[in-house]
Amino acid sequence: QSALTQPASVSGSPGQSITISCTGTSSDIGDYNYVSWYEQHPGKAPKLMIYEVSNRPSGVSNRFSGSKSGNTASLTISGLQAEDEADYYCSSYTSSRFVVFGGGTRLTVL
Amino acid sequence: EVHLLESGGGLVQPGGSLRLSCAASGFTFSNYAMSWVRQAPGKGLEWVSAISGNGATTYYADSLKGRLTISRDNSKNTLYLQMNSLRAEDTAVYYCAKPNRANSYYFYAMDVWGQGTTVTVSS
Repeated sequence: QSALTQPASVSGSPGQSITISCTGTSSDIGDYNYVSWYEQHPGKAPKLMIYEVSNRPSGVSNRFSGSKSGNTASLTISGLQAEDEADYYCSSYTSSRFVVFGGGTRLTVL
Repeated sequence: EVHLLESGGGLVQPGGSLRLSCAASGFTFSNYAMSWVRQAPGKGLEWVSAISGNGATTYYADSLKGRLTISRDNSKNTLYLQMNSLRAEDTAVYYCAKPNRANSYYFYAMDVWGQGTTVTVSS
């Protein structure tokens, strides 16, 4: 069982917006602003999309945004495109286990 | 260009040992903590271990502590992971990853990943 809880799958049509949630506890997401999001296409290494809750690395589209409320972080993808179809993972710093990942969410673009 | 290249994976019997390596290039290796992350077939990502920039401080996932040793050789720009008493559930692709911040103790967001090396534990 993963330390952070994500929905197994989400879907959306091109042009729409979707949001992926990532629920932790007061010992990780709730207490630290070290939440990251990764995109992973099949057979590829993960790619950092969001760090420290809401910051985008250079080169990442501004269609990707992150936020946090209490023990839950969220990744929103606006203007959905076919190439966004991938697995998405959240992660957080936690004082007891250092870094934990969510179980991953499969995004399907209809 | 920043690059990470893992090696050392392979087929090993249960109870065996393996040492993974990760050769880094394109950045000042000693300025960064480094991590290992693994992914079992068809499963999600699992953080395994991290090490400070000078190698003096190490961090391990609780479930793996005692069977792993992370180390680094900054003169060779290389990260290592020694794995002992391997089990079938250790079968995975092992990635090394660089954080997005040059801080000896920061490893929470990883912006460069290697292509991974596959470890298969089976008799």
